[in-house]
Amino acid sequence: GDSVTQMEGPVTLSEEAFLTINCTYTATGYPSLFWYVQYPGEGLQLLLKATKADDKGSNKGFEATYRKETTSFHLEKGSVQVSDSAVYFCALSDRNTGKLIFGQGTTLQVKP
Amino acid sequence: DTAVSQTPKYLVTQMGNDKSIKCEQNLGHDTMYWYKQDSKKFLKIMFSYNNKELIINETVPNRFSPKSPDKAHLNLHINSLELGDSAVYFCASSQGTSDRTDTQYFGPGTRLTVL
Repeated sequence: GDSVTQMEGPVTLSEEAFLTINCTYTATGYPSLFWYVQYPGEGLQLLLKATKADDKGSNKGFEATYRKETTSFHLEKGSVQVSDSAVYFCALSDRNTGKLIFGQGTTLQVKP
Repeated sequence: DTAVSQTPKYLVTQMGNDKSIKCEQNLGHDTMYWYKQDSKKFLKIMFSYNNKELIINETVPNRFSPKSPDKAHLNLHINSLELGDSAVYFCASSQGTSDRTDTQYFGPGTRLTVL
């Protein structure tokens, strides 16, 4: 079945460092891809999404490009802030049912 | 205005009890979901309803019964609670477009602790 794999965390960075969180997927067909963020004690918020190959999603300085050839959707940010500390989830949307299939989440901790 | 709301936020109960979690969305969406997040933060779909009809039931024990009285509400009732049911339960909603590109909006979660 469809699945999503994210890099293991936690990831600890200093403020203003460059961030990459790797995400790869396995799916039949062409799913939509999402990054969600969960701040401590809160629900999930959509960070960005891409619905077809070569689309780039971007929001709040974060970017991810839908790469069909490598089945990847890596999350990047050029300069992280302490306020970016959270758990980041990569997910795909099953084309038949619409359910989201999540990766295991990557905890990001940014230190001042 | 909260888009997707859940009550209660915290629920602590004894094994064997029956409890319910309520979810409401004011986004006018057609589709609602329940997800379970375990202690390692892993999220998994449980159920999905579209216009009050069940469309996804992901091998969840039949102690869990979702109920959708109308399009804006999806409640989760759990019978005979077990220790392993302790988790955070998230409700979500989406427009339910046929191409499945729509965004799901999540509630704040209900942390269930079974003692």
